[in-house]
Amino acid sequence: DQQVKQNSPSLSVQEGRISILNCDYTNSMFDYFLWYKKYPAEGPTFLISISSIKDKNEDGRFTVFLNKSAKHLSLHIVPSQPGDSAVYFCAALEGDGGATNKLIFGTGTLLAVQP
Amino acid sequence: DSGVTQTPKHLITATGQRVTLRCSPRSGDLSVYWYQQSLDQGLQFLIQYYNGEERAKGNILERFSAQQFPDLHSELNLSSLELGDSALYFCASSLSPGRGGTQYFGPGTRLLVL
Repeated sequence: DQQVKQNSPSLSVQEGRISILNCDYTNSMFDYFLWYKKYPAEGPTFLISISSIKDKNEDGRFTVFLNKSAKHLSLHIVPSQPGDSAVYFCAALEGDGGATNKLIFGTGTLLAVQP
Repeated sequence: DSGVTQTPKHLITATGQRVTLRCSPRSGDLSVYWYQQSLDQGLQFLIQYYNGEERAKGNILERFSAQQFPDLHSELNLSSLELGDSALYFCASSLSPGRGGTQYFGPGTRLLVL
C-alpha cells in the first residue's frame, strides 16, 4: 500500500513560470517531509524539508506547503529554469523520534521545463 | 557531490551469484541507509545502521544482508541473485539519526542480473 503518493507522473512548464508538484500521504503519524530531486544516473539530491509544526518553508526559488488536514503537500518552484528538469520525489520520514528513521518515498514526478 | 561514495558504479552478474556493494558515508555521519530503486517498486527502504548497529529494517529479503563497520563504511551483501534483483541500489547517510537528520544519497550502484 502506497503511503506517499505522487499522482502526476509528469509535468511540463515553460521557463520562468511556476512549477507546482503535488504529494499526498495517508499516514497521519508522519510529521516530517522532504523533497528530493533526481537527475538520471545520479542519486537523489535533498532540496527542502518541512516539519508538521509549520505550514510553509521557503528556500530561494523553492517553497514547500503542508496542509495537514488534507494530508497534502506541494513544492512550488518559481521561476522555473531548464536546469530544474528532473524527477522530483516527495518523502515522509517514519521513525521513533530517536535513532531509528527511514524515508518513505512517493513514485516521483518528472518535471520538464521548456526553454 | 553529496560526499557519499558507492562502489562499484555498475555490476553485471548471473543468477545465483553473490555480490557486495560498498558505501562510505559523509565524513562525520554515523547513520547509513540502503535503498533499492526498481522500475516497478520505486525507491524502497531496505535497512538502516547507526554507529555499527542495525536500527531499522524495511522490506529487505532474507537473501540480503548488510553491516556497518567500525570505520562507519557499510556493505550490502546480495546472495542467490535473481533476475528481479536487478535495480539501482542507493546508500544514504545522515549526521543525526533522528527527526530532521537529512539523508544525503550516494550516486548508486546499478546491478544487472542476467
